[in-house]
Amino acid sequence: QLQLQESGPGLVKPSETLSLTCTVSGGSISGSDYYWGWLRQPPGKPLEWIGSVYYRGGTYYSPSLKSRVTISVDTFQNQFSLKFNSVTAADTAVYYCARDDGNRVFDHWGQGTLVTVSS
Amino acid sequence: EIVLTQSPGTLSLSPGERATLSCRASQYVRSRYLAWYQEKPGQAPRLLIYGASSRATGIPDRFSGSGSGTDFTLTISRLEPEDSAVYYCQQYGSSPCSFGQGTKLEIK
Repeated sequence: QLQLQESGPGLVKPSETLSLTCTVSGGSISGSDYYWGWLRQPPGKPLEWIGSVYYRGGTYYSPSLKSRVTISVDTFQNQFSLKFNSVTAADTAVYYCARDDGNRVFDHWGQGTLVTVSS
Repeated sequence: EIVLTQSPGTLSLSPGERATLSCRASQYVRSRYLAWYQEKPGQAPRLLIYGASSRATGIPDRFSGSGSGTDFTLTISRLEPEDSAVYYCQQYGSSPCSFGQGTKLEIK
């Protein structure tokens, strides 16, 4: 059964870079025509799609976040990663990784990891 | 960006009853590209419905979706205690995709 697990620091200082990794088990990132995505949910706000990556390297980002986000994939480690620079308190959220069917339907999710931006 | 408004915010029902959750879009949702997700505390969100009415793999037929255009509904029949969760709708017909704020379903 496909499983996804987020990992990374739970606390990031303002203006620094938030880095998270999603490890995929029970299936290969490069085994089929899926994208792999990151989403987040700030406290009291709706879920927000950040971006998605294809294992061959194609990426799609939310226009509102595109200038600060990089998503990459490591097929050897069966992982994909999120880098979010110049963070502020507004970037405090639960961050999720998920499998994207290519149409932005997310059919498998990680449990989410809380990242707090604070000095 | 399409804004999705879910109602009610909280729904409290008894086992065996039927729950009706609403999702209204600020603009037309192309091709019925509307999904529903279930989220329980401490668990990964789960895809329930996509394409407005297609059940995802392994989802029981107690869960059904309907609607088109700007108005969509998730119906859960014969409620069970395990259905207690927050339910989110998502449109993916226009980029960027967007989510509603959620409906919390409580089973008495």
